Amino acid sequence: EAAVTQSPRSKVAVTGGKVTLSCHQTNNHDYMYWYRQDTGHGLRLIHYSYVADSTEKGDIPDGYKASRPSQENFSLILELASLSQTAVYFCASGQGANERLFFGHGTKLSVL
Amino acid sequence: GDSVTQTEGLVTLTEGLPVMLNCTYQSTYSPFLFWYVQHLNEAPKLLLKSFTDNKRPEHQGFHATLHKSSSSFHLQKSSAQLSDSALYYCAFNSGGSNAKLTFGKGTKLSVKS
Repeated sequence: EAAVTQSPRSKVAVTGGKVTLSCHQTNNHDYMYWYRQDTGHGLRLIHYSYVADSTEKGDIPDGYKASRPSQENFSLILELASLSQTAVYFCASGQGANERLFFGHGTKLSVL
Repeated sequence: GDSVTQTEGLVTLTEGLPVMLNCTYQSTYSPFLFWYVQHLNEAPKLLLKSFTDNKRPEHQGFHATLHKSSSSFHLQKSSAQLSDSALYYCAFNSGGSNAKLTFGKGTKLSVKS
């Protein structure tokens, strides 16, 4: 089974602070994704990447940055955290967008 | 633009009755459709994926058929089980060179005895 590890598992941040969520995969997958999950909105795509050192904007990129320094690692950065960014964040990896995605266990972020 | 729609937010069923969860899409190219399932406090995981040759994928008693004429990929099961209670997402890749995988809003299935 493919492994995707997210850290931290949960985090409490203050409004205006910087938050970095990390994701590491050991599957040799080229594609990595960051989604946020909110009740009533489902899983929404924030940023994604299909090669190291390159990232693409998803459907809701505002307020988020992403970094893909290597094939294995993909980070999500909130430079100025806001209350509206309270959510569960999932990282996923896959061989391609038309292939199965493997998800991490999620990071529960609370911005106060 | 390209999109995927799940119309039901919550479906409540009695055990043993058939399940059908709706999924429709709009796509410029020949799309790939998926169903993911997420049980409480777990990560989403793949349940089914559409085939390019129109075969019907099946897994754990669930099946779905890609109907290009109606742009649909509804999830079905003949008899619901209590353990099927979960959040179900339809996901969509529009095909071509697009690397995006877009999820619908999800349908919560609650199966009662």
